[in-house]
Amino acid sequence: ILNVEQSPQSLHVQEGDSTNFTCSFPSSNFYALHWYRWETAKSPEALFVMTLNGDEKKKGRISATLNTKEGYSYLYIKGSQPEDSATYLCATLGSTLGRLYFGRGTQLTVWP
Amino acid sequence: SAVISQKPSRDICQRGTSLTIQCQVDSQVTMMFWYRQQPGQSLTLIATANQGSEATYESGFVIDKFPISRPNLTFSTLTVSNMSPEDSSIYLCSVEEGTGVSPTFGSGTRLTVV
Repeated sequence: ILNVEQSPQSLHVQEGDSTNFTCSFPSSNFYALHWYRWETAKSPEALFVMTLNGDEKKKGRISATLNTKEGYSYLYIKGSQPEDSATYLCATLGSTLGRLYFGRGTQLTVWP
Repeated sequence: SAVISQKPSRDICQRGTSLTIQCQVDSQVTMMFWYRQQPGQSLTLIATANQGSEATYESGFVIDKFPISRPNLTFSTLTVSNMSPEDSSIYLCSVEEGTGVSPTFGSGTRLTVV
């Protein structure tokens, strides 16, 4: 079992604020780190898959960084909008392709 | 990426009964995964389902409680048997999409056992 931790558990910000979340994971036997965005009653939406130490990925206002040596990843949202409200999950890939180990998620609420 | 249709989206069930959750994929996939998220907890893998062989269960999950079928490469079911309130969770299926691509998930089944 791979222990994946996410912080904070929840976050409330005003529209326009920038925010970031943390995901920590075991640095040994690392294969890949996945970020998902999950809205209630919808499928988790894949944001990024990151594999190399120092990776930086960007998708619109959302970006992520990866440090595999110390076992952490940051997700940043610039200029948060109410539609960014969701739970953000990170997960590491196990030795079986497709098998993920998840953190508990960070629940983001963006107030207009 | 694959598109997964998961049913039902939600259900309220009496304790002691069983519920079968279905996932239909629009393409053939080798491996399907079933996860559970209990309130306040992380998504946890129940089992891995390969077509033509018995599912592989994670520690703490047993076939008698969570029987899985995988009759072909596009379909799988998970049954939650003899339910108790502790089985109240969101259940999700997923499929692997290959190296470097994030697995795709169904939209989930929100189960409440009363």
